[in-house]
Amino acid sequence: GESVGLHLPTLSVQEGDNSIINCAYSNSASDYFIWYKQESGKGPQFIIDIRSNMDKRQGQRVTVLLNKTVKHLSLQIAATQPGDSAVYFCAESSQDTGRRALTFGSGTRLQVQP
Amino acid sequence: DTGVSQNPRHKITKRGQNVTFRCDPISEHNRLYWYRQTLGQGPEFLTYFQNEAQLEKSRLLSDRFSAERPKGSFSTLEIQRTEQGDSAMYLCASSLASYNEQFFGPGTRLTVL
Repeated sequence: GESVGLHLPTLSVQEGDNSIINCAYSNSASDYFIWYKQESGKGPQFIIDIRSNMDKRQGQRVTVLLNKTVKHLSLQIAATQPGDSAVYFCAESSQDTGRRALTFGSGTRLQVQP
Repeated sequence: DTGVSQNPRHKITKRGQNVTFRCDPISEHNRLYWYRQTLGQGPEFLTYFQNEAQLEKSRLLSDRFSAERPKGSFSTLEIQRTEQGDSAMYLCASSLASYNEQFFGPGTRLTVL
């Protein structure tokens, strides 16, 4: 079936550096993408989303880039902090199904070294 | 707290027992989703409700699983005759409209012995 996957299972960065987490998706009909942060023992926490009619969206310290040509999504975190350490998931949904359920990748663990 | 809540947070049961989880979505969110998450994996869709109507079930949802949302507010997920393979985190999410972001609850971690 259609799936969303991540290139790197673990990313280790120094505090203060910028982090980039990548994600590939396979469903060409996907029109909504979202990044979640999940800390141990907690539910996914919304970070930022983007619709397919955009290629970039910025939030507080975070930027999501969407390249529909190569079906690639990335999350950039500026000035990474120890509190950013968590597992990050990209997810997508498609209007095809109508239900808008999210299809998640397997996650990237971000480790921030002090 | 106006976020999505789930109860219980943890459930340990013996194989063959029935368990029921509850989800209280964000007030006025008309869509409610159930997902299952195993260690190291992303959440997988199980089923969803538009108000009180259950509109779709995933193939992951065997006939031992049943979900309800009787008044279009809270929802319950019941697993009958639990198996060890049911051990996972069960997550609930809600959204205001089909196109909006989904907000997740803290999950219920089920351990089947």
